Amino acid sequence: EPEVTQTPSHQVTQMGQEVILRCVPISNHLYFYWYRQILGQKVEFLVSFYNNEISEKSEIFDDQFSVERPDGSNFTLKIRSTKLEDSAMYFCATTGTGFSEQYFGPGTRLTVT
Amino acid sequence: DQQVKQNSPSLSVQEGRISILNCDYTNSMFDYFLWYKKYPAEGPTFLISISSIKDKNEDGRFTVFLNKSAKHLSLHIVPSQPGDSAVYFCAAKEIQGAQKLVFGQGTRLTINP
Repeated sequence: EPEVTQTPSHQVTQMGQEVILRCVPISNHLYFYWYRQILGQKVEFLVSFYNNEISEKSEIFDDQFSVERPDGSNFTLKIRSTKLEDSAMYFCATTGTGFSEQYFGPGTRLTVT
Repeated sequence: DQQVKQNSPSLSVQEGRISILNCDYTNSMFDYFLWYKKYPAEGPTFLISISSIKDKNEDGRFTVFLNKSAKHLSLHIVPSQPGDSAVYFCAAKEIQGAQKLVFGQGTRLTINP
């Protein structure tokens, strides 16, 4: 069964450093999303991406965040200058039509020290 | 702004019995609802969904009921099995826009043998 994959599974970084989280979507899916879950809190939407551009972004997704699909397969989330409060699980999700269920990857645990 | 609420943080059910998980929403623009199951250190796994034009959707042991007038939905699992022990998230989205998912806080379901 096709699945979304994410790398790395765990990333530890120092405050102020840049991180790139990677996702490989299900191959025929066209809509891509990033969510995050801070420990003990709900899953929160960050950004959606379709046709090589951002469709919608939340208040969390400020100028420190960016997304791209550099090679037509990977979908990346970059945080330019990490803060302690960026520590969370980051989930990539994809869907085929945008009107159906989203399939989530296993997540990347980001720890900012 | 809690547009999707799961008021029970935890639920304990005996194996073989019915598990009922509840979810309330406030945004009348939501018209597609989903349930996800999540194990520790994994991404949310899609379980079942329902469109606002229906009041019931069934898939094997899982049934979702939607009461639009009450802005309430529920997930029934029958019979409950030990492998059902996980955190269950209710999510909702609007049919317009980029279809971001708005999640509830989750309910931890424990099935006791």
